[in-house]
Amino acid sequence: DTEVTQTPKHLVMGMTNKKSLKCEQHMGHRAMYWYKQKAKKPPELMFVYSYEKLSINESVPSRFSPECPNSSLLNLHLHALQPEDSALYLCASSQGGVRGSATEAFFGQGTRLTVV
Amino acid sequence: QQQVKQSPQSLIVQKGGISIINCAYENTAFDYFPWYQQFPGKGPALLIAIRPDVSEKKEGRFTISFNKSAKQFSLHIMDSQPGDSATYFCAAPSNTPLELVFGKGTKLTVNP
Repeated sequence: DTEVTQTPKHLVMGMTNKKSLKCEQHMGHRAMYWYKQKAKKPPELMFVYSYEKLSINESVPSRFSPECPNSSLLNLHLHALQPEDSALYLCASSQGGVRGSATEAFFGQGTRLTVV
Repeated sequence: QQQVKQSPQSLIVQKGGISIINCAYENTAFDYFPWYQQFPGKGPALLIAIRPDVSEKKEGRFTISFNKSAKQFSLHIMDSQPGDSATYFCAAPSNTPLELVFGKGTKLTVNP
């Protein structure tokens, strides 16, 4: 099973709302990722958790707040977003480690976020 | 910072033809090069990947060719089908562990 499950599939939120995106994997992967993807662009890395600790934060604005409650779950908390934050938000996971399989990442189907 | 240059940006192929997408990367201490296939509104799906201890890897109609000395790798889709119409991304490891750097993508259209 190489499934990464993301909820919700679609989300519309106002600029004053607080919402959360959820991601779950049961492959025993120890690295989990959040990516942002705009139309016709490649995925853009936001955060990486390795062994439940934040490993990479690509200078993401504080209105995006990641959380890794356990090795299977990853959340992205959203607050005071701007319309330009509208995008496809992708979760991914990989085995973890430094070489090789660390980068064999499996993606979820994404959450289509629209900020109004 | 690792950069990956992917070409062409778009590609139109007739059914049954061969689709070829090329990528070039910079120096890296990590040796793993995946290709992802993405359909509209879906997440990228890992299609095929290569480690450069081999020069070629084939899975069904999909083949990766790898040229380590030239720092280039390419995806060949044989007998291309309309269902292959998607955006394809190559990727290469960054110098930062756990981080992949993606190419800009190639939109493939296979005409019936």
